[in-house]
Amino acid sequence: KAGVTQTPRYLIKTRGQQVTLSCSPISGHRSVSWYQQTPGQGLQFLFEYFSETQRNKGNFPGRFSGRQFSNSRSEMNVSTLELGDSALYLCASSLGVWNEQFFGPGTRLTVL
Amino acid sequence: GQQLNQSPQSMFIQEGEDVSMNCTSSSIFNTWLWYKQDPGEGPVLLIALYKAGELTSNGRLTAQFGITRKDSFLNISASIPSDVGIYFCAGRYSGGGADGLTFGKGTHLIIQP
Repeated sequence: KAGVTQTPRYLIKTRGQQVTLSCSPISGHRSVSWYQQTPGQGLQFLFEYFSETQRNKGNFPGRFSGRQFSNSRSEMNVSTLELGDSALYLCASSLGVWNEQFFGPGTRLTVL
Repeated sequence: GQQLNQSPQSMFIQEGEDVSMNCTSSSIFNTWLWYKQDPGEGPVLLIALYKAGELTSNGRLTAQFGITRKDSFLNISASIPSDVGIYFCAGRYSGGGADGLTFGKGTHLIIQP
């Protein structure tokens, strides 16, 4: 069974731009969560989707948003990029909200 | 918000030695997970724990869900070179207003030849 896939793997943007990251969960998984990983803050929860509905949201500004499609694929969007948004963005999928989460390889975003 | 204290921050050991790391929290969790992350990759799930007191093994790895629901440990026996990496604990509380996983800061395992 294929794992979680994320595209693109690497991305370079400039301040003020916006970016969209994509995540395809493991087949049959209906829950997708997003995390931001930085050297200073570690892994931090962004939001979680189940059946196209946002169930939980972490403590991030409104510039960070996401959505989930009927096939469980998910996208996250960051608008008006700041230098501090440079990070590894990780997507994780699970069968349901309370099942163990399996992570993708991440998208490395660099904001210049 | 909930915070996890993971220790030690790093470990320098000899191949063949046993390793022990732990996580503690001021809040209770209903689920404890242990992940390993290699450079440039996403975390890989090692062990999932769902009941207080639960002790689970996965090969040379053993993890326990603390009785108080506020702590967990991971042991690795007879370490080998491929065990090198960063190990993260993660907890989740399933009460009302649930959040996503809360992660520890990681234990960086280095194996000296």
